[in-house]
Amino acid sequence: DVKVTQSSRYLVKRTGEKVFLECVQDMDHENMFWYRQDPGLGLRLIYFSYDVKMKEKGDIPEGYSVSREKKERFSLILESASTNQTSMYLCASSLEGAAGDGYTFGSGTRLTVV
Amino acid sequence: KQEVTQIPAALSVPEGENLVLNCSFTDSAIYNLQWFRQDPGKGLTSLLLIQSSQREQTSGRLNASLDKSSGRSTLYIAASQPGDSATYLCAVRGYQKVTFGIGTKLQVIP
Repeated sequence: DVKVTQSSRYLVKRTGEKVFLECVQDMDHENMFWYRQDPGLGLRLIYFSYDVKMKEKGDIPEGYSVSREKKERFSLILESASTNQTSMYLCASSLEGAAGDGYTFGSGTRLTVV
Repeated sequence: KQEVTQIPAALSVPEGENLVLNCSFTDSAIYNLQWFRQDPGKGLTSLLLIQSSQREQTSGRLNASLDKSSGRSTLYIAASQPGDSATYLCAVRGYQKVTFGIGTKLQVIP
């Protein structure tokens, strides 16, 4: 069964901490994405990557960075966590090309910044 | 800019009822449309993917249709069960990006 695995289901961090959220996929997908999901706002794209060592800003990249050193792993980094980054974070992957098989999501990480 | 709307925002039905969830989008230049299910505190689980050249897809009790020209998709759930209770989201893949609806929260009452 193909999978996207997010390393933590729940995280509690303090304001100002550097936070790493890890995502690994085993489907050999080229594309990987990081979203955050907030009530009433839906899913908002933070960053995405179409290839190793490649990254593109999404709609809300401020306060975040990413790393993709290997094809299967896409990391989201909160350089200095703030309370407004408390959210559900979702990682997804997909095949290259328009007529692919859609997105596969991980189980999510609920991050609370106190 | 693509906009995706899902109406209603919430729906409560008795067990066994057939139901339809709606997804509308403003730009018909799309590659595909995907329906997801999300349980509370969990990630999104893919239910059905319809390519732009297709009219519908079926999986078990689920049937999704796509009318690209009118900018609409429906997810039909037959003989609903309490285990179907979840939030259902649609995602439209355009030429530049994927746009998600906010979802319809479904409650199936035993």
